[in-house]
Amino acid sequence: KAGVTQTPRYLIKTRGQQVTLSCSPISGHRSVSWYQQTPGQGLQFLFEYFSETQRNKGNFPGRFSGRQFSNSRSEMNVSTLELGDSALYLCASSQGDSQTRYTFGSGTRLTVV
Amino acid sequence: ELKVEQNPLFLSMQEGKNYTIYCNYSTTSDRLYWYRQDPGKSLESLFVLLSNGAVKQEGRLMASLDTKARLSTLHITAAVHDLSATYFCAVGTGTASKLTFGTGTRLQVTL
Repeated sequence: KAGVTQTPRYLIKTRGQQVTLSCSPISGHRSVSWYQQTPGQGLQFLFEYFSETQRNKGNFPGRFSGRQFSNSRSEMNVSTLELGDSALYLCASSQGDSQTRYTFGSGTRLTVV
Repeated sequence: ELKVEQNPLFLSMQEGKNYTIYCNYSTTSDRLYWYRQDPGKSLESLFVLLSNGAVKQEGRLMASLDTKARLSTLHITAAVHDLSATYFCAVGTGTASKLTFGTGTRLQVTL
């Protein structure tokens, strides 16, 4: 059973640019949630998509957005990058019910210079 | 707003010793998760605790949940070097897949 696939693994961008990250969940999982991990703020919830709909959203500015496709793959986009957006971005795949287990991908390491 | 606190933040222990990591959370929750993270790596799921009094064990790790006290513990028995990592607890609320993570406990097991 394939795990959660995140691409790319590493990314270097310049301030002001935008970036798109991808997450393919475990087959059959309908929920994808995104987290940002930084040394200062720890692990913070960005948003969750379930069956192509955003079901929950964290406290991040509108520059952070996402979407989910009919095959459950999800993308997150960050526009007008800032230095503070440098982080490890993790996505988690789950079946989406309240008793679920979450499986995390390997993450995308984004560096903004 | 849900707050999740872990202590200690850093733990250095000798091989063979026992220790406990504590996870306190501020509001009612029906599920508690423990994860392990190695440097530069992703999160590895260790335990899912879904009810008051739940206890789960795997190898040298045992996790428990007391929903009335809003407390979960991760007990390490006879630590070995391979257990060196950062351990996170996370609390889930509601039906949506939102986890609130603790600050993490960096565990260093020395020979």
